[in-house]
Amino acid sequence: DGGITQSPKYLFRKEGQNVTLSCEQNLNHDAMYWYRQDPGQGLRLIYYSQIVNDFQKGDIAEGYSVSREKKESFPLTVTSAQKNPTAFYLCASSIDGVSSDTEAFFGQGTRLTVV
Amino acid sequence: AQSVSQHNHHVILSEAASLELGCNYSYGGTVNLFWYVQYPGQHLQLLLKYFSGDPLVKGIKGFEAEFIKSKFSFNLRKPSVQWSDTAEYFCAVSPLYGGATNKLIFGTGTLLAVQP
Repeated sequence: DGGITQSPKYLFRKEGQNVTLSCEQNLNHDAMYWYRQDPGQGLRLIYYSQIVNDFQKGDIAEGYSVSREKKESFPLTVTSAQKNPTAFYLCASSIDGVSSDTEAFFGQGTRLTVV
Repeated sequence: AQSVSQHNHHVILSEAASLELGCNYSYGGTVNLFWYVQYPGQHLQLLLKYFSGDPLVKGIKGFEAEFIKSKFSFNLRKPSVQWSDTAEYFCAVSPLYGGATNKLIFGTGTLLAVQP
């Protein structure tokens, strides 16, 4: 089955700890994205990557970091600098980041709770 | 900055009622337009999309949307809703910058509850 896999589905962490969310895709897509979903705020872009070894900050990148060492993987680290880390995190991918086909495919999401 | 506005945050309808969810965006250039749906406990799914051509697009499950360029709008419609349409609906816009990275900009979402 082609798709995007996010793991884990639920994650609990203590305040002050860094945590890494996994995102893997087997769609052979070049572009990958991380969004954060909060009630009443829709989806906000954290980071995106057009191609391997390249990524750019989105609208709310502070307190987050990413890497793109492999085409199929785009892990997101929520650092202790993120002031409100408790949220639902969605990973997405699209064929590439510059063509006119910008349809994004989404993973199931990871719900992070920081206590 | 580009933005997407969804006018209704919560909508409650009875089964068989007609649905129209508003979506407006702020960007003067070429755009791709999307409606995504998130059913309870499920991942975000594409409902329909507009890239070019006929401004009236049909999606899955009887949904359709009309792109009105002069109004910067892409409203979602369904003539007769079902209880199974209960979900959160997101409008999204991808401004096309001609070579720069294309990004999806989402609205805040509309929670639709259909009462049996």
